[in-house]
Amino acid sequence: AIQMTQSPSSLSASLGGRVTITCRASQGISLDLSWYQQKPGKAPKLLIYAASTLQSGVPSRFSGSGADTDFTLTISSLQPEDLATYYCLQDFNFPRTFGQGTKVEIK
Amino acid sequence: QVQLVESGGGAIQPGRSLRLSCVVSGFNFNNYAIHWVRQAPGKGLEWVTLMSSDGSKKYYADSVKGRFTISRDNSKNTLYLQMNSLRPEDTAVYYCARDHGASGWGGYLDYWGQGTLVTVSP
Repeated sequence: AIQMTQSPSSLSASLGGRVTITCRASQGISLDLSWYQQKPGKAPKLLIYAASTLQSGVPSRFSGSGADTDFTLTISSLQPEDLATYYCLQDFNFPRTFGQGTKVEIK
Repeated sequence: QVQLVESGGGAIQPGRSLRLSCVVSGFNFNNYAIHWVRQAPGKGLEWVTLMSSDGSKKYYADSVKGRFTISRDNSKNTLYLQMNSLRPEDTAVYYCARDHGASGWGGYLDYWGQGTLVTVSP
């Protein structure tokens, strides 16, 4: 199975600050990576698919980049409603595998 | 609007069986693959299984292979997860989620249900 290594496991940033989360795949997965946001007590929500395509309705402060084995989720200007845990998921093959998650807190 | 609603969770003893259901609405169920994803208390997301839109393809995580079976009834807009030989480590919230495509290959999970909690304990 493809291993997805996500870092950091948690971070604290100021409102308006820039946040970067990385995800590394144990083998090449082309652009087959998606990012999800999970707020406390809620179901996950799709943010980005195909590594860099923003899901409809998601604020433009979220962006994704990368290809092959290295991927990044960036929040350009952190807002209070961005308090959540973020996960990457490889969509390349089965079994699908998630990263371990990154908990984002407001400093 | 697209909705997925899980049910069937509850408390159950190790070794017993349980069947979860996921009823969908707001889209043509026949055209989409559907996943189950679970989350143990305080832990991350774990992908469990997927069934293609026509039921011809099924994929499982190693942790549930041979114990869990995914199925669907397209006439009832319903996906099922039959869970046998349950273990304490199967304790989790179970989510169903729609794949963007029919086969599940290269697709992402674009809509999720709210989840149903399964607790496996003596």
